[in-house]
Amino acid sequence: DAGVTQSPTHLIKTRGQQVTLRCSPKSGHDTVSWYQQALGQGPQFIFQYYEEEERQRGNFPDRFSGHQFPNYSSELNVNALLLGDSALYLCASSSSGASWSQHFGDGTRLSIL
Amino acid sequence: SQQGEEDPQALSIQEGENATMNCSYKTSINNLQWYRQNSGRGLVHLILIRSNEREKHSGRLRVTLDTSKKSSSLLITASRAADTASYFCATDAAGAQKLVFGQGTRLTINP
Repeated sequence: DAGVTQSPTHLIKTRGQQVTLRCSPKSGHDTVSWYQQALGQGPQFIFQYYEEEERQRGNFPDRFSGHQFPNYSSELNVNALLLGDSALYLCASSSSGASWSQHFGDGTRLSIL
Repeated sequence: SQQGEEDPQALSIQEGENATMNCSYKTSINNLQWYRQNSGRGLVHLILIRSNEREKHSGRLRVTLDTSKKSSSLLITASRAADTASYFCATDAAGAQKLVFGQGTRLTINP
């Protein structure tokens, strides 16, 4: 039973570029949440997708957008990258109605030069 | 923004000793959870305590929750080198879909 998988594991971009990160949820889960974790900090909630719609959003600018597909997988898109976007991006999946029980992937390490 | 503080920010102890870390939060919660993170990898769920519970055990882990003080503690007994990691508390509130994390405690177990 595969857990949450994220790709790629590492990514290097330059300022102003755009990036897409991908996540496949744990089998049986239909809800995907994305978190940003800066170095030495705790994860911060970006947004959550359920039924292919954004259900809740944290305090992140519109440069951060997402998508959920019919198979429940999800993408996180970040436009006009800034140096401050360098972080570990974590995807978590859960079942609807049990958002408190989230299973995390190993993350994508994004470095902005 | 982070939900609250974790204390201490870093803790270094000898193998076999007990490790205690604390978490404070700001708002009313449904549940409080503790996660472990090794070297910038994903988060591994350790234990969950509900707002109506005061203490919970799982193996070498003991968690307490004081909702009147909005605080929790995680005790790891008989520590091992493999316990070296960062530990985070996370809370969820009624009607909210997200987890709100503390800033974490970096635990080092010295052999």
